[in-house]
Amino acid sequence: EDQVTQSPEALRLQEGESSSLNCSYTVSGLRGLFWYRQDPGKGPEFLFTLYSAGEEKEKERLKATLTKKESFLHITAPKPEDSATYLCAVQPRGGGSEKLVFGKGTKLTVNP
Amino acid sequence: DADVTQTPRNRITKTGKRIMLECSQTKGHDRMYWYRQDPGLGLQLIYYSFDVKDINKGEISDGYSVSRQAQAKFSLSLESAIPNQTALYFCATSDLRSSQPQHFGDGTRLSIL
Repeated sequence: EDQVTQSPEALRLQEGESSSLNCSYTVSGLRGLFWYRQDPGKGPEFLFTLYSAGEEKEKERLKATLTKKESFLHITAPKPEDSATYLCAVQPRGGGSEKLVFGKGTKLTVNP
Repeated sequence: DADVTQTPRNRITKTGKRIMLECSQTKGHDRMYWYRQDPGLGLQLIYYSFDVKDINKGEISDGYSVSRQAQAKFSLSLESAIPNQTALYFCATSDLRSSQPQHFGDGTRLSIL
């Protein structure tokens, strides 16, 4: 069964304190791994897609990396506006599957 | 204007009522999806559609039905609402090409009393 586990469930950082969020997955062949940001009262906002182990993507203070078993979202020198829930999802390969399997998310709070 | 628009944004109704949630998009995407989000759980797929003539069940379709009225419109119906269908509902769209990200609306908060 395809599964995604995100850790920690919640993370509190001080402004400027860098850290990483983890997304571990088991999937029957990976077509793509997606990171989203979700603010309260809003839908998930797309951040990154990673397709193969060793791939990295960056956007402002965020950097996503991928191995064969997990992905990390590194946050460098975070600001309060980075506070949100970060969701990881995998798209299995094969069988015509278009389903995304989502993790439960990591709620990040950045204090000024 | 939002690319993916959901209406209503909030709805409170009673057990047994029929409810329709609507989604429209201006992204020109062929694929549309309905998800449900519950506190402490990941997003779960209810139904998805690759085009107007193609509708597929997701992992939690029981108690729900959908209609793809046009390429840009995808509605979700609860024929007889029950309290455990209280949740956040999201519509999403994606491009026809495989492995393209899904883009989400801002959701409908549905409460069933």
